[in-house]
Amino acid sequence: KNEVEQSPQNLTAQEGEFITINCSYSVGISALHWLQQHPGGGIVSLFMLSSGKKKHGRLIATINIQEKHSSLHITASHPRDSAVYICAVMNYGGSQGNLIFGKGTKLSVKP
Amino acid sequence: DAGVTQSPTHLIKTRGQHVTLRCSPISGHKSVSWYQQVLGQGPQFIFQYYEKEERGRGNFPDRFSARQFPNYSSELNVNALLLGDSALYLCASSFETSGIDTQYFGPGTRLTVL
Repeated sequence: KNEVEQSPQNLTAQEGEFITINCSYSVGISALHWLQQHPGGGIVSLFMLSSGKKKHGRLIATINIQEKHSSLHITASHPRDSAVYICAVMNYGGSQGNLIFGKGTKLSVKP
Repeated sequence: DAGVTQSPTHLIKTRGQHVTLRCSPISGHKSVSWYQQVLGQGPQFIFQYYEKEERGRGNFPDRFSARQFPNYSSELNVNALLLGDSALYLCASSFETSGIDTQYFGPGTRLTVL
């Protein structure tokens, strides 16, 4: 079992829909990252969370430390939101706190 | 201010060859981490360097090595290339190594081994 699990693996939505991507992890963490990866490989950091909730524009990220679960929400989705969204955790123990990644959720937003 | 830069962007090698990938962190960042992303998978941690010292190593064979220079730029070296080394190699920089420090990713180097 992977230490970081994301669901769904693939997601197709119509423009304007509300989208939720989930991330569950099994290790102790110091922080959780939500990343966006566009075709071609470039990765952009969207959020870093250690508790509670963060909002940036149409993106909202929440984390529940007790349940070891985080969600990324996109409101009023748009085709330009199409990308792979990756959850990554900063492991509390192990190798100097480096990121453990989920496999990503591929989001496609249709006009 | 420039972001994390990596070179080359694409590279084609044959089995058994050696490759060197380069990364320049954001100005002022002292920590550089390397990740390997095989097609369809999430990235896997290879190395972290901070102040020219190795601070962490993932589960990769000794064919993989890295170093960090006094200007905090870094090189990742892979010897005796295998077909399975074909991947996107990502470099990320951060100011320090703390668990709550945001990492900034470069565009990656896509390595193809034939």
